[in-house]
Amino acid sequence: GENVEQHPSTLSVQEGDSAVIKCTYSDSASNYFPWYKQELGKRPQLIIDIRSNVGEKKDQRIAVTLNKTAKHFSLHITETQPEDSAVYFCAAPRGSTLGRLYFGRGTQLTVWP
Amino acid sequence: DTGVSQDPRHKITKRGQNVTFRCDPISEHNRLYWYRQTLGQGPEFLTYFQNEAQLEKSRLLSDRFSAERPKGSFSTLEIQRTEQGDSAMYLCASSLAAGGPYNEQFFGPGTRLTVL
Repeated sequence: GENVEQHPSTLSVQEGDSAVIKCTYSDSASNYFPWYKQELGKRPQLIIDIRSNVGEKKDQRIAVTLNKTAKHFSLHITETQPEDSAVYFCAAPRGSTLGRLYFGRGTQLTVWP
Repeated sequence: DTGVSQDPRHKITKRGQNVTFRCDPISEHNRLYWYRQTLGQGPEFLTYFQNEAQLEKSRLLSDRFSAERPKGSFSTLEIQRTEQGDSAMYLCASSLAAGGPYNEQFFGPGTRLTVL
């Protein structure tokens, strides 16, 4: 299938703790994996992406890891802050040449001060 | 504002009416996507243009839906004979084709459609 499965659907953490969101995909030819953050009432915005030629990518407090063998990738947020509270979506393409992205159902992250 | 823009931001219509939405992508972007998002779900792909060519359509896009990008710049999405199940946020995104098939998709603010 073409599904992207995302877990958990909700995640609550204390400020300063780490948060991890996991996604699995089905198409072994997929080679691009973006993560989007959507605040309430706002548009999705890309926060980090990874291509299949690397296993990990970091950008300050955010990192993404990719396991192509297991077909899963994860978003890691360290030292969480209340402004990290939002819905996070993972996505993966179908195949390696098409433009469409399949999105997960989203994870509502709440960071408590 | 040089980002993706969409018009209108909100549309309320009665069942059976036709509606049309417009998307203006980032000016140098040659790829344009339409997605639909319902509450508690991620964006669902509807269709995709590269320049003026519509390269892919989702099975979600029934015969009542049509999208155009006549000059390879702005795009319109029309829904004919709207149904209550069409109520959703319609998101447009654009990206550059250069450098490979996958570059960041920049989303617009969306058009929220409510069908009464």
